[in-house]
Amino acid sequence: NAGVTQTPKFRILKIGQSMTLQCTQDMNHNYMYWYRQDPGMGLKLIYYSVGAGITDKGEVPNGYNVSRSTTEDFPLRLELAAPSQTSVYFCASSYSDTLAGYEQYFGPGTRLTVT
Amino acid sequence: KQEVTQIPAALSVPEGENLVLNCSFTDSAIYNLQWFRQDPGKGLTSLLLIQSSQREQTSGRLNASLDKSSGRSTLYIAASQPGDSATYLCAVTSSNYQLIWGAGTKLIIKP
Repeated sequence: NAGVTQTPKFRILKIGQSMTLQCTQDMNHNYMYWYRQDPGMGLKLIYYSVGAGITDKGEVPNGYNVSRSTTEDFPLRLELAAPSQTSVYFCASSYSDTLAGYEQYFGPGTRLTVT
Repeated sequence: KQEVTQIPAALSVPEGENLVLNCSFTDSAIYNLQWFRQDPGKGLTSLLLIQSSQREQTSGRLNASLDKSSGRSTLYIAASQPGDSATYLCAVTSSNYQLIWGAGTKLIIKP
């Protein structure tokens, strides 16, 4: 049981390039999330999904896209990378809604630098 | 708009001491509050979750309390150990069903 896995661990992008951050969970969780964490700041929700085929925007969705074709995978797409997207990105999953007290499990993060 | 604040940003204490980490939030209409631990280069690990109807939760040497009316939570760590060194974050599930996070307190336990 690997939990939540993210690839890559590190990436340097040039301004204007695109990339996809991969996230996979093997816990059969319905809910999945993408967060970003800037230095010295709390996490901010980018997008989330409550099940395959369903996604919704979080607090900071601009410049990102997601898809959820399977229960296991929730990739995050960056189009036209900008320096403001330099951050650490965390993927998380939970069986059901945090509202009801279900714990979120986090991946190890992807450190992205855009120069 | 819900805001979560953690003070201090960093804390250094000798091994063996009991300590308290603080978390405050501006809107008392929360569903629950969670404390997480973040180790460098690793993901976050959930430590304790307190539902809005509860006053405290305990796990081993950790005890978290919640006072919704005053917008405060504390995480008490008993008999601190060097392995407790990490960044501790709190997050509240607010009215829009999303987690709102504090910036964390970086804790260093000196041997």
